[in-house]
Amino acid sequence: AQTVTQSQPEMSVQEAETVTLSCTYDTSESDYYLFWYKQPPSRQMILVIRQEAYKQQNATENRFSVNFQKAAKSFSLKISDSQLGDAAMYFCAYGGRRTYKYIFGTGTRLKVLA
Amino acid sequence: ETGVTQSPTHLIKTRGQQVTLRCSSQSGHNTVSWYQQALGQGPQFIFQYYREEENGRGNFPPRFSGLQFPNYSSELNVNALELDDSALYLCASSLRQGASNEQFFGPGTRLTVL
Repeated sequence: AQTVTQSQPEMSVQEAETVTLSCTYDTSESDYYLFWYKQPPSRQMILVIRQEAYKQQNATENRFSVNFQKAAKSFSLKISDSQLGDAAMYFCAYGGRRTYKYIFGTGTRLKVLA
Repeated sequence: ETGVTQSPTHLIKTRGQQVTLRCSSQSGHNTVSWYQQALGQGPQFIFQYYREEENGRGNFPPRFSGLQFPNYSSELNVNALELDDSALYLCASSLRQGASNEQFFGPGTRLTVL
C-alpha cells in the first residue's frame, strides 16, 4: 500500500524568506504523480504544483518549486519570497496513474511572520 | 466557469441518523471524488464516480454510499451515523478518471454528529 508522510506538523517563515516543506512517500508503483495542495483557513483546497514521476526535471510554478528525489522517495516543496497569503495547511499527495484515489499526508501548517 | 460547490455548509446530526451531502462538479468534469477530512488530518479517500459508476473505493464501510447524476452532480449518503463520522467532507471533480488528473475541490461540508 502507498503511504505519504509529512514529518513537520508546523513551520514558520519570515515574510520574503524561503522555506522548505518535507514529504516522503512509499510505493511499489513506477508510474505515479505527486502533488502539493494548499488549504487556506477558508478550507478550499488548491493545487500548488504537480510532479510526474517519470520526468527528471523538477516542477516549478512561479515562487513554488519541488525537489523530487525518486530513488529516495522524497518530494519537498520550496516556497521562495514567502508572502502573508502563503499561510495555510500544505498537503503532499500521491496518485498512481492507474488508481482512482489520492493518498494524502497529514499536512504541514505554514505560518508566515510579518 | 463555475467551480465546485457543496451543500450544505454545515450540518448537525445525531448518532444513528442518515445524512445526504451534495456536490456540483465544475463545468465539463465527468469525474467526482469524495473525501473525509477529520480535524487535524489529511483527507481520506472515500470513493470516486465516473459517468455515474463507482470506479474506486477507499477503506470505508458500505454505509457510506454515493450517486452521480447525468449532469455529473453527486451525492454522498451516510447511514447509521457514528460519532467518528464528524468531519469535513470534501468533494473534488476532474476532467477524467484517474488520480493523475488534477482535482478541483469544493469548500466542503462540516458534519457534526452528536
